[in-house]
Amino acid sequence: GQQLNQSPQSMFIQEGEDVSMNCTSSSIFNTWLWYKQDPGEGPVLLIALYKAGELTSNGRLTAQFGITRKDSFLNISASIPSDVGIYFCAGQEGAQKLVFGQGTRLTINP
Amino acid sequence: NAGVTQTPKFQVLKTGQSMTLQCAQDMNHNSMYWYRQDPGMGLRLIYYSASEGTTDKGEVPNGYNVSRLNKREFSLRLESAAPSQTSVYFCASSAIWAGGADTQYFGPGTRLTVL
Repeated sequence: GQQLNQSPQSMFIQEGEDVSMNCTSSSIFNTWLWYKQDPGEGPVLLIALYKAGELTSNGRLTAQFGITRKDSFLNISASIPSDVGIYFCAGQEGAQKLVFGQGTRLTINP
Repeated sequence: NAGVTQTPKFQVLKTGQSMTLQCAQDMNHNSMYWYRQDPGMGLRLIYYSASEGTTDKGEVPNGYNVSRLNKREFSLRLESAAPSQTSVYFCASSAIWAGGADTQYFGPGTRLTVL
């Protein structure tokens, strides 16, 4: 089946730093989604990308749909304590189901 | 607006016991999904229902059955629980089948332990 590689697996940063994470795929996707999961909760959608090259922002979050359609990036600027959690990418190809990355666990030191 | 709700939040079973996880959504969504999440792994699709009256297997369906009771409710059943089914289970829903440009909304999860 399709594989998504998400990196890094974990990040330990200082409050105020910028964060970057990415996902790469062995195949092309038509849609990329980025979710955040807080402890004990379900994933919540942050950003959806529908077109190659698309760059979309949601507050301090910016995500990009790679030109090759095989990758996507998520950046968080000026991190704050509430950014702590696990971030998941998910790809969708045509009529197929979502495929999720393994997640990036973000920890912020005050 | 409750969104997607799941019951129970926690459950402990002994090997061989059966149970049903309940999921309901109040967003009038057509499609519903069941995922499991294991440590260090992303969510893996167990079963899905593209629309009321239909169900299909996902990536990891073995040991599970589902029922799309009506448009709102989608249940997941473990007939004979095994320790390998210890996991966190998430239900999700979307307005249209995931093949379209739509997104899935997740419930809070059910944490299941099988001893």
